[in-house]
Amino acid sequence: KAGVTQTPRYLIKTRGQQVTLSCSPISGHRSVSWYQQTPGQGLQFLFEYFSETQRNKGNFPGRFSGRQFSNSRSEMNVSTLELGDSALYLCASSLGVDRVGSPLHFGNGTRLTVT
Amino acid sequence: DAKTTQPTSMDCAEGRAANLPCNHSTISGNEYVYWYRQIHSQGPQYIIHGLKNNETNEMASLIITEDRKSSTLILPHATLRDTAVYYCISYRGTSGSRLTFGEGTQLTVNP
Repeated sequence: KAGVTQTPRYLIKTRGQQVTLSCSPISGHRSVSWYQQTPGQGLQFLFEYFSETQRNKGNFPGRFSGRQFSNSRSEMNVSTLELGDSALYLCASSLGVDRVGSPLHFGNGTRLTVT
Repeated sequence: DAKTTQPTSMDCAEGRAANLPCNHSTISGNEYVYWYRQIHSQGPQYIIHGLKNNETNEMASLIITEDRKSSTLILPHATLRDTAVYYCISYRGTSGSRLTFGEGTQLTVNP
């Protein structure tokens, strides 16, 4: 069974640009969550999608947005990039919001560098 | 979600068992204990989880104390590839939960 796939693996952008990251969950998984990981802040929750609906959102500015498609694949978008957005962006999938005990499975992330 | 505490670092000889402790004294009755590990520049890898009973899978064993205030992850025969940061977290496990990874334990397996 294929794991969570994130593309691209690495990305370099300049300030002010926008970026779109993609995530394909494990087959059968309907919930997708996004996290930002930095050395100083650790793992921080961005948002979660289930059945194409955003279920939870973390404390990030509106420049960070996401969506989920009918096949459960998800994208996140960051507009007007800032230097502080440089981070490892992780996507995780799980079976669903009502499946207590269902673990999250992470992709290997997209390393975004903003210059 | 309950807070967990883990030692900052541990060493283990290759081929020996690695026993990683975790304290989760404020865990709620409906919260599971999950273990993940992260190798540099990769995403966290799910290892194992449990609620009350001890669990074992192809990667590791999880021993949870009867009062559920602590647990131990056991890697039975550590290899160099097990060198990673190991995170113990406790949460209900519904997808709506927001995972909070603490500092974790840096496990170094030595040849």
